[in-house]
Amino acid sequence: GAGVSQSPSNKVTEKGKDVELRCDPISGHTALYWYRQRLGQGLEFLIYFQGNSAPDKSGLPSDRFSAERTGESVSTLTIQRTQQEDSAVYLCASSLAGLSNTGELFFGEGSRLTVL
Amino acid sequence: GNSVTQMEGPVTLSEEAFLTINCTYTATGYPSLFWYVQYPGEGLQLLLKATKADDKGSNKGFEATYRKETTSFHLEKGSVQVSDSAVYFCALSDRANYKLSFGAGTTVTVRA
Repeated sequence: GAGVSQSPSNKVTEKGKDVELRCDPISGHTALYWYRQRLGQGLEFLIYFQGNSAPDKSGLPSDRFSAERTGESVSTLTIQRTQQEDSAVYLCASSLAGLSNTGELFFGEGSRLTVL
Repeated sequence: GNSVTQMEGPVTLSEEAFLTINCTYTATGYPSLFWYVQYPGEGLQLLLKATKADDKGSNKGFEATYRKETTSFHLEKGSVQVSDSAVYFCALSDRANYKLSFGAGTTVTVRA
């Protein structure tokens, strides 16, 4: 597609359930990012994928969070045993080889997660 | 570590008013600085950037100057339009230049 696509756009779940969020980056973009935005706060870095390199997972808040990426395409962010503090908008972004080329990340519209 | 502090909103202006959104940063080394904008119903998109001290980024009538002495990157526009209503995010890159640290965002509403 023309832009970064995320699904679902909205997800309401019960505490303790697992959720999976999906991101389709722009074709040809080797770098993919996940960020989290809690209400009234800035974007919080979660994880970064670049080609076949080991991902930078330094932003994942707990071992309940994990992410995978198949080659240079789709990524899924999985949150296990969701807690209310996981409620946020989860943003995916892609770019050409990190920021080195243009300094520009292309963002999806986000997946809004509400944990009841 | 790296951090960005930007002016809290919301900000409400009349059309043709002057807009300033303050942004200051803390970083090691010499980061690149960015302003991203999120229009209603859309994803964040790059508005402008500056990669070294004294550089001025500009786009769509917006400007921001990289001020190393004051560690600032304030966003300005001389005459706003209703279409400028959006959330604006200041950001900086890390030393490895692949990760962005964002401010909390400033919501701007321009009234006709």
